[in-house]
Amino acid sequence: QKEVEQNSGPLSVPEGAIASLNCTYSDRGSQSFFWYRQYSGKSPELIMSIYSNGDKEDGRFTAQLNKASQYVSLLIRDSQPSDSATYLCAVKGYSTLTFGKGTMLLVSP
Amino acid sequence: NAGVTQTPKFQVLKTGQSMTLQCAQDMNHNSMYWYRQDPGMGLRLIYYSASEGTTDKGEVPNGYNVSRLNKREFSLRLESAAPSQTSVYFCASSEASGRGRREYYNEQFFGPGTRLTVL
Repeated sequence: QKEVEQNSGPLSVPEGAIASLNCTYSDRGSQSFFWYRQYSGKSPELIMSIYSNGDKEDGRFTAQLNKASQYVSLLIRDSQPSDSATYLCAVKGYSTLTFGKGTMLLVSP
Repeated sequence: NAGVTQTPKFQVLKTGQSMTLQCAQDMNHNSMYWYRQDPGMGLRLIYYSASEGTTDKGEVPNGYNVSRLNKREFSLRLESAAPSQTSVYFCASSEASGRGRREYYNEQFFGPGTRLTVL
């Protein structure tokens, strides 16, 4: 059974701080990794994809991948109250994605 | 482009009733998926269609059937609804599902969801 683990949170950070969200996965053969943001009552929205070891930056978001440690993280710089949401980590097997249960992020003004 | 659309947005059924959830995408994607999302359980894959003409079971297929009507449309049917099927259902699509030449092939994009209550 392929597993993707995330801390359920909530992770509370003040506005302007860096939020760090973490994810570990069990399938060592996984090749593709995704972060989704889900606002309450809405559908998941893809915000980052990462495929190679190292960092990938897109605006205020940085995804980090360490395949040896089977670890993916998402950093959100200059956090805003509008970033308050649940963040889902997803890992691709051969044909499908396995999702973690998500980490709730709360950014206080 | 509308992306991925789902109908209906909300539905209330009685135990034993049947219904079909509709999903369509206009991104010319090959692969489509049905998920359910329950509190504390995360997103779980029900069925998927890697390409037109094929369907495969996911993690929780019992009580459901699917039809890939054409490249654009993928429907989910509940033949005899049960209270345990109360959930939020999401449809998603991606350019491909297997290992492709380009990694973004596997990025999945979600529809707005259907909130289903079975009494």
